[in-house]
Amino acid sequence: DAGITQSPRYKITETGRQVTLMCHQTWSHSYMFWYRQDLGHGLRLIYYSAAADITDKGEVPDGYVVSRSKTENFPLTLESATRSQTSVYFCASSETGYSNQPQHFGDGTRLSIL
Amino acid sequence: GQNIDQPTEMTATEGAIVQINCTYQTSGFNGLFWYQQHAGEAPTFLSYNVLDGLEEKGRFSSFLSRSKGYSYLLLKELQMKDSASYLCALRGGTASKLTFGTGTRLQVTL
Repeated sequence: DAGITQSPRYKITETGRQVTLMCHQTWSHSYMFWYRQDLGHGLRLIYYSAAADITDKGEVPDGYVVSRSKTENFPLTLESATRSQTSVYFCASSETGYSNQPQHFGDGTRLSIL
Repeated sequence: GQNIDQPTEMTATEGAIVQINCTYQTSGFNGLFWYQQHAGEAPTFLSYNVLDGLEEKGRFSSFLSRSKGYSYLLLKELQMKDSASYLCALRGGTASKLTFGTGTRLQVTL
């Protein structure tokens, strides 16, 4: 049971470059989420998706793009990376959007932008 | 909007009991979650409350009072491996989304 996997685990890039973080889940969960985690802010929602081809903005979407052409994949793209986007990024999924369904998290991608 | 408050850090002794509080303000409520996150790792689900009262799961219990906008996580018989951050997360008016508090870092000492 692979669950939810993120790649790469670590990434260093330069300002202005495009970078894509991958997220893949094997549970066939409907909902998928992208968060960033920074000291003093906790986990903040960037984008989420209720199903393939359905995405919506979270709390901090600026500078990010997502797509979901297949249920199992939910890539996050930084179109032109900035230093303020240095963070740990977590992908999560939940079976449905019902209240009692917890979100399950991947191991995270630690992204540094120089 | 939503607002969640948790203490930043706590210290407790191995074998003791610790209570981690979470207070919140929200316009809609669909449940409150607690997650555990060890340093450098992913958050993992601990508990869920939607009705007032206590939910017990082994050494961990979680309590909710909706009228007071208050929850706590109770950890009994503390072990060194319980040293981690504990995240309170609110499911508000949009049932699918969670809003997280900044977390409480718990250090268990001998």
